[in-house]
Amino acid sequence: SAVISQKPSRDICQRGTSLTIQCQVDSQVTMMFWYRQQPGQSLTLIATANQGSEATYESGFVIDKFPISRPNLTFSTLTVSNMSPEDSSIYLCSVAALMNTEAFFGQGTRLTVV
Amino acid sequence: AQSVTQPDIHITVSEGASLELRCNYSYGATPYLFWYVQSPGQGLQLLLKYFSGDTLVQGIKGFEAEFKRSQSSFNLRKPSVHWSDAAEYFCAVGAGLTGANNLFFGTGTRLTVIP
Repeated sequence: SAVISQKPSRDICQRGTSLTIQCQVDSQVTMMFWYRQQPGQSLTLIATANQGSEATYESGFVIDKFPISRPNLTFSTLTVSNMSPEDSSIYLCSVAALMNTEAFFGQGTRLTVV
Repeated sequence: AQSVTQPDIHITVSEGASLELRCNYSYGATPYLFWYVQSPGQGLQLLLKYFSGDTLVQGIKGFEAEFKRSQSSFNLRKPSVHWSDAAEYFCAVGAGLTGANNLFFGTGTRLTVIP
C-alpha cells in the first residue's frame, strides 16, 4: 500500500487568488491523479500528472485553471488558479503503480473560496 | 462512455441488520469495478474490487459484492451492519489499462446506522 500526504488539509481563500496543493507519496509510484469532489457530489478526475511532462487533462478542465507539476515519482502539486466560490470543493490526490489494480487516495484538501 | 449509477442517495439501517447498496455501470468492455468507503473527514478506502474470475468478491470489514454482467450491476452487501459502517460509499468503474486509473465514480450512497 501507499501512504499519501496532502497539504494543506483545508484552507479558506479569497476569490481571485490561487492555492497550491501538495501531494507526497511514501514510495515511487507510476501514476498520480487529481480528483475534485464538489459539495454533495461524486469524484471527478481532473487530470493525470505525468512526470517530466505536461499533465493530461480530462474534458472540462484546462491547464490555465489547474496547472499541475510532477517533478519526480513521489511528488505532485495542483494549483487552483484565480479562484471563485464555484471552486469550493475537496481536492484529492490518487496514486497507482503501473499494472497495479488499486488506486490509493489521500485524505483530500477541503477548499472554501469566499 | 463509461458511467456509474448509484440509485440510492441515502440509506438508513438498524445496527445488526443486513445491507445492500446498489450499483449499475455502463462500460463498453470488461469492467474493472470498485467499492470505496469515505468516512467523514477521511480519504477514500478501498473495500473491494472485481477484475475477473469469481463474480462474488470478498472485501475488508465483512463486505462482499457480486458482479452480474447480465444486469450490469455490482451491488455491495454486508450481512450485519455495525455502527462504525456509517459513511459514504462510492462505486467506481476503472477505464484505464490497469483499471486503477481514470476511475469513474457514482454519486455515492450515504449510510446511516441507527441503534
